[in-house]
Amino acid sequence: EADIYQTPRYLVIGTGKKITLECSQTMGHDKMYWYQQDPGMELHLIHYSYGVNSTEKGDLSSESTVSRIRTEHFPLTLESARPSHTSQYLCASRGQVVDTQYFGPGTRLTVL
Amino acid sequence: DAKTTQPPSMDCAEGRAANLPCNHSTISGNEYVYWYRQIHSQGPQYIIHGLKNNETNEMASLIITEDRKSSTLILPHATLRDTAVYYCIVRVDSGNTPLVFGKGTRLSVIA
Repeated sequence: EADIYQTPRYLVIGTGKKITLECSQTMGHDKMYWYQQDPGMELHLIHYSYGVNSTEKGDLSSESTVSRIRTEHFPLTLESARPSHTSQYLCASRGQVVDTQYFGPGTRLTVL
Repeated sequence: DAKTTQPPSMDCAEGRAANLPCNHSTISGNEYVYWYRQIHSQGPQYIIHGLKNNETNEMASLIITEDRKSSTLILPHATLRDTAVYYCIVRVDSGNTPLVFGKGTRLSVIA
């Protein structure tokens, strides 16, 4: 079992609020990722990081931002939530030795 | 990374083998074939990967054709809990690029 955690699991929030989705892993992995997935649709990569102080934008343009100050922590922030941000957000990490990505349980975000 | 083509959906009877095909005709020599699955709306789960030899683990077997242009994931005795979307992904092993997921195959295991 992979040790990667996401909080909150579910969030319902009003338009205009600032939110931060938390993602933590205890495996010491350098590489971390954020994916966005609408119900029944494909996963889209929105952000990734190769290590501390490294952040890159993914294939899908996103109004969210990320930071990587510590190896184990990769939070995603929306400065002003809108209904179009309603989706599931999945965090993942990958180590060096075994090239597999481990996913967290996801955060299901609803913006009213 | 090379593109992959998978059927959008498949059915399989419970207890029978599920054979999920994947075409990757533009695969290059240093690219591996990875399989992940996503059960309902959980995070995707790694199943297996291989370069050119057939691979087997406790979850599944991976058969890669000799020319490496296609592969088949085999779940030997499918159960209802194997109902999921299965993704075939081709990428360079230990590369820096993240996994890019396509539409996958929605496998329904029927009692």
